[in-house]
Amino acid sequence: DAKTTQPPSMDCAEGRAANLPCNHSTISGNEYVYWYRQIHSQGPQYIIHGLKNNETNEMASLIITEDRKSSTLILPHATLRDTAVYYCIVRFTQRDDKIIFGKGTRLHILP
Amino acid sequence: DTGVSQDPRHKITKRGQNVTFRCDPISEHNRLYWYRQTLGQGPEFLTYFQNEAQLEKSRLLSDRFSAERPKGSFSTLEIQRTEQGDSAMYLCASSLSSAYNEQFFGPGTRLTVL
Repeated sequence: DAKTTQPPSMDCAEGRAANLPCNHSTISGNEYVYWYRQIHSQGPQYIIHGLKNNETNEMASLIITEDRKSSTLILPHATLRDTAVYYCIVRFTQRDDKIIFGKGTRLHILP
Repeated sequence: DTGVSQDPRHKITKRGQNVTFRCDPISEHNRLYWYRQTLGQGPEFLTYFQNEAQLEKSRLLSDRFSAERPKGSFSTLEIQRTEQGDSAMYLCASSLSSAYNEQFFGPGTRLTVL
């Protein structure tokens, strides 16, 4: 079973920041938080991952709470092309090779 | 950079027929994964290879399913005696066996069993 809880859907206005929450209250010390997204009719796409510290790349920022029980993926300036299902995943990558996906959050970017 | 490719992209077959899908991973990636995704659900893990060795199989992978990666490069997934419940998107992913194991997914093969 997935170790994360996400809202089933969210809306965000185009040009605004999209903040996608994820709860992972049972995360263990060696487990990373990963985010993938899946645009309609495509395979999932890696976005970002982190352990404890906040991370930023060209796609998004990942904010992990100090107790690591939750995190937020931030798309700073959402565009229509960011409409997708976003999956938050907890993995111990040095042991768990497979990815266990939940149902994710369906993000709708509104023009 | 050619990414992960899958062939065919779509397959329609009649119940009881055998089908085979192919996945070509990113060339330097030694790990290859197969997932299945049904409508409204996230992808579900089926099996994975490190080089040519099949290291793990999900209990979802019934006896009618077989996967191979004979030379540690491309992989095939065969479904024998297809059933309507096999209708799904079959996704392939590849990665390096690195600490972070970022997986890169292909576009998938959509199977419809009539």
